[in-house]
Amino acid sequence: DIQMTQSPSSLSASVGDRVTITCRASQRISNYLNWYQQQPGKAPKLLIYAASSLHSGVPSRFSGSGSGTDFTLTISSLQPEDSATYYCQQSHGTPQDSFGQGTKVEIK
Amino acid sequence: EAQLVESGGGLVQPGGSLRLSCGASGFTFTNYWMHWVRQAPGKGLVWVSRINGDGSSTRYADSVKGRFTISRDNAKNTVYLQMNSLRAEDTAIYYCTRAEYQELHDWFDPWGQGTLVTVSS
Repeated sequence: DIQMTQSPSSLSASVGDRVTITCRASQRISNYLNWYQQQPGKAPKLLIYAASSLHSGVPSRFSGSGSGTDFTLTISSLQPEDSATYYCQQSHGTPQDSFGQGTKVEIK
Repeated sequence: EAQLVESGGGLVQPGGSLRLSCGASGFTFTNYWMHWVRQAPGKGLVWVSRINGDGSSTRYADSVKGRFTISRDNAKNTVYLQMNSLRAEDTAIYYCTRAEYQELHDWFDPWGQGTLVTVSS
């Protein structure tokens, strides 16, 4: 199975800051990588698919990049509503263990 | 707009059974593989099971294999998760989600609101 590791596990940043979350796969997965946002008490929502494609309706301050084993989710200008936990998910191999452990983003 | 609504969660004793349902609307149900993903309290997302469009192919996480069964009724636009021999570690919010496909890539969208399963005596 492919293991996904996110860093950091949590971060605190101010409104307007640029925030970067990384996700590393235990083997090469090309660009078979998705990102989800889970706000407190809510279901996850798709942000980015195929590593860099922005899902419909998602603000353009969110962007994704990477290929192979290393991927990045960037929030260009952090907003209060971005306080959430972010998960990467690989779709290259079996779905078991496909999610990263999550990165909690808090607003200072 | 595609929507998923789960039901059937609740409190059950260890060793007991529960059946979760997920009703779909706003899309052609038979065209999509459906998945269950769970989240233990304060923990991350964990994939549980999936079923293909006509119900002929299923797959399970090792942690639930032999205890959980996924199925679907395409006439009712509903996917089910039959959970037997429940354990305390199965306590979680269970989400139903649709696998969307495009040019060999797939992702989960949308997600239901989740239904809470608590296994406790």
